[in-house]
Amino acid sequence: DTGVSQDPRHKITKRGQNVTFRCDPISEHNRLYWYRQTLGQGPEFLTYFQNEAQLEKSRLLSDRFSAERPKGSFSTLEIQRTEQGDSAMYLCASSPDRAHGYTFGSGTRLTVV
Amino acid sequence: GDSVTQMEGPVTLSEEAFLTINCTYTATGYPSLFWYVQYPGEGLQLLLKATKADDKGSNKGFEATYRKETTSFHLEKGSVQVSDSAVYFCALSDGRETSGSRLTFGEGTQLTVNP
Repeated sequence: DTGVSQDPRHKITKRGQNVTFRCDPISEHNRLYWYRQTLGQGPEFLTYFQNEAQLEKSRLLSDRFSAERPKGSFSTLEIQRTEQGDSAMYLCASSPDRAHGYTFGSGTRLTVV
Repeated sequence: GDSVTQMEGPVTLSEEAFLTINCTYTATGYPSLFWYVQYPGEGLQLLLKATKADDKGSNKGFEATYRKETTSFHLEKGSVQVSDSAVYFCALSDGRETSGSRLTFGEGTQLTVNP
């Protein structure tokens, strides 16, 4: 297993377009998390899945954002009608259970122009 | 809500100098505390953790002690190397099952170690 994979690594999009990011967690990890990190700041929690169930969403996750984990394996994060304020690094992490720390992916850097 | 405050950076040190990065937190209940490190172009890596008061986490020469009385979790290393140059994040986990133990991060401290 090569860890948590995120695709793409970089995405440049025009304002108003939709974008979708993918995260492949470590295969035996049933917990999956999405975070957003802006320049010079720490990551901020967006949402959490246990298997295919989305158990918590941050207030940061506006109605333009949607995340899925259809079969409890990979996850997608979609942003509709992107805005310049959506420009950030989107990080995915996975964990086998509460007792263990997360393993983070390298992130997807989104630039909205 | 929960919050984490880190000392302002950036921090620049010479090789073999002593490092302290301060971290204090506000949380209800009994959080777990973490230090993560982020090297350029990479994701965050867990450096060390402590799950209860007075626990000391350690890894790669770095140490931090969970101080409940001062709500602190300061990161220390006795002799830094150029390869330690990175951004360091302090974080806490509220441990609630409903949140999946989500992490709350500090703003990060950029460390640069010069030869």
